[in-house]
Amino acid sequence: AQTVTQSQPEMSVQEAETVTLSCTYDTSESDYYLFWYKQPPSRQMILVIRQEAYKQQNATENRFSVNFQKAAKSFSLKISDSQLGDAAMYFCAYRSGDNDMRFGAGTRLTVKP
Amino acid sequence: GAGVSQSPSNKVTEKGKDVELRCDPISGHTALYWYRQSLGQGLEFLIYFQGNSAPDKSGLPSDRFSAERTGGSVSTLTIQRTQQEDSAVYLCASSIIPGPQETQYFGPGTRLLVL
Repeated sequence: AQTVTQSQPEMSVQEAETVTLSCTYDTSESDYYLFWYKQPPSRQMILVIRQEAYKQQNATENRFSVNFQKAAKSFSLKISDSQLGDAAMYFCAYRSGDNDMRFGAGTRLTVKP
Repeated sequence: GAGVSQSPSNKVTEKGKDVELRCDPISGHTALYWYRQSLGQGLEFLIYFQGNSAPDKSGLPSDRFSAERTGGSVSTLTIQRTQQEDSAVYLCASSIIPGPQETQYFGPGTRLLVL
């Protein structure tokens, strides 16, 4: 079974600074998808960014980018120019080719003004 | 509607009672998922519906949990004889095209507290 590990229960960043959230996963598959979701206090899960495993190029979405290391099974999220509105729980997720989706335990990000 | 909606937003019940949680997916989305999020934890997959196919119930934790999806739209998650360990946030998500590349859109969740 696939597992997703987020080793940082909590992270803190100064406003306008850059922070990186870690995620590793375990799989024997070669084709899969990876996601980062943001969950603010409203509980609404919002997709931040996704990465197809077959693509070598790291996905980027405005201030959010990933560092996808397929061999290392690592999928970290970098948030640049952090804003107060970025404060939330961030979940890393893995989706296999047969539709099995697994989430990590989450990282709580605090942004200090 | 504009997004996935869930009701009620909060539910307090007594141990042993049955509860029903409702999910209205985005119109036209054929895939619907239920997840459970316990305090401080990630999301735990419960059940998945796709069109008229038999649902994937592999994540349901016990036979006290069941779900149905009527008319390929609204879904109801039922928990019978609730236990305190059932207390969690129950999230529903839908997507237009099921599969690894899909984007799931989540509802705001129902926070269930079993006393």
